[in-house]
Amino acid sequence: EAGVAQSPRYKIIEKRQSVAFWCNPISGHATLYWYQQILGQGPKLLIQFQNNGVVDDSQLPKDRFSAERLKGVDSTLKIQPAKLEDSAVYLCASSLVVSVAGRYNEQFFGPGTRLTVL
Amino acid sequence: GQNIDQPTEMTATEGAIVQINCTYQTSGFNGLFWYQQHAGEAPTFLSYNVLDGLEEKGRFSSFLSRSKGYSYLLLKELQMKDSASYLCAVRDPAGGSYIPTFGRGTSLIVHP
Repeated sequence: EAGVAQSPRYKIIEKRQSVAFWCNPISGHATLYWYQQILGQGPKLLIQFQNNGVVDDSQLPKDRFSAERLKGVDSTLKIQPAKLEDSAVYLCASSLVVSVAGRYNEQFFGPGTRLTVL
Repeated sequence: GQNIDQPTEMTATEGAIVQINCTYQTSGFNGLFWYQQHAGEAPTFLSYNVLDGLEEKGRFSSFLSRSKGYSYLLLKELQMKDSASYLCAVRDPAGGSYIPTFGRGTSLIVHP
């Protein structure tokens, strides 16, 4: 079974530039997540999609970050304009179904995109 | 709010046993996950505990005490490849979401 695919793997930009990341989840997975992982910290959820609808984007800095999941499959995360503190690894994950009480649903993570903002 | 604490770094010897602790303070609780993350790679799932007690899976075991807000991951017969970061993540539905919140992770270094 193919895993979660992400591209690019690495990106270096200057502050105030724009950048976009792409994610292709595991086939058949309805739920897709974007996480930000700053060096030395655990992943922090930015946004969760169920099919092509947003379930939770409470921690997404909406003044500069945006995400979409057209047709409920691939997703893109954009930062415009980037700041120095956006330097991090951006992880995409997917799961079969949305998280609900009492049900364990494993999240499968992609390899991530390492962003460096200079 | 949520507070998840883990030691920042631990070292152990190949072949030994190591216990990585995780304490949490959350408004609600609906399960605790452990993930392994090798440097530069994505986290991979290790275990999920929702009831008190010990869950064993090969060389890895995970324990949960809900009343104490405490969990540990036990790694036996350590191998060099076990050198990685171990992330504790807790599901707290009090905020309206069942997405787990991750701790900072414990970096485990296994030496010969």
